Amino acid sequence: GDSVTQMEGPVTLSEEAFLTINCTYTATGYPSLFWYVQYPGEGLQLLLKATKADDKGSNKGFEATYRKETTSFHLEKGSVQVSDSAVYFCALNNYGQNFVFGPGTRLSVLP
Amino acid sequence: DTAVSQTPKYLVTQMGNDKSIKCEQNLGHDTMYWYKQDSKKFLKIMFSYNNKELIINETVPNRFSPKSPDKAHLNLHINSLELGDSAVYFCASSPLQRNTEAFFGQGTRLTVV
Repeated sequence: GDSVTQMEGPVTLSEEAFLTINCTYTATGYPSLFWYVQYPGEGLQLLLKATKADDKGSNKGFEATYRKETTSFHLEKGSVQVSDSAVYFCALNNYGQNFVFGPGTRLSVLP
Repeated sequence: DTAVSQTPKYLVTQMGNDKSIKCEQNLGHDTMYWYKQDSKKFLKIMFSYNNKELIINETVPNRFSPKSPDKAHLNLHINSLELGDSAVYFCASSPLQRNTEAFFGQGTRLTVV
C-alpha cells in the first residue's frame, strides 16, 4: 500500500538557521502531496501542497517541490523562527479516499 | 465558524466504560475520517466515510463503531474502553478529489484510567 517516510527527528535548530525535513513516498499512480503542521495542543493545519510533478508548494516561507523521479517532497525554509517550533507531517492523498501520513518530525527552534 | 468541530476536547473515563466522540463539518465535504494519534504522534487512519457510506475500515477493534447520520456528521462510539485506547482522536473531512487537502478538527484527548 501507499506509504510516507520522513526523518523523525527531533530536529533542533537555532533561530535563523536553514531547515530541511526530508520526505519520500511510495504510491501507485500520481498522488497529491502535502505538508501539515501541528502546534502543541492543536489539530493539524495544512502548510502547503503540490498536486503534480514539479509543482512547488509554498507558504509562510516554507516550500517543497514534488519530485516524481525521486518520489520526494522535502520541506525547506531559509530562516526558521522560534514560532516555527511544531511537529511537521508529510502526507499523500491518492484518489481521495485516504490521507497517508509520515511519522512526523518534531522541530524545536531555540532563540 | 469552525470548519470541523469535534466534542469533547478532553475525555477522561474509567476502563470498561462506553463513550462517544462527536464530529461535525460545515464545509459541504463528501468524505469524513477518523484518525488516531498515539503518544509518539503517529497518525493512523481508522475509518473513512463517503456520503454516509463506509469506505475504509482499518484494523480497528470492533469495540470502535463509527456512525454517520448524515454527510456532515461522523461520530465515534467506543465500547468497553481499555487503557490502550488512550490517545488523541482526530476527525477530518475533505472533498472526494485527489488534489484537495483534508481539514482537521482540534482533536479529542481520550484518557482511560
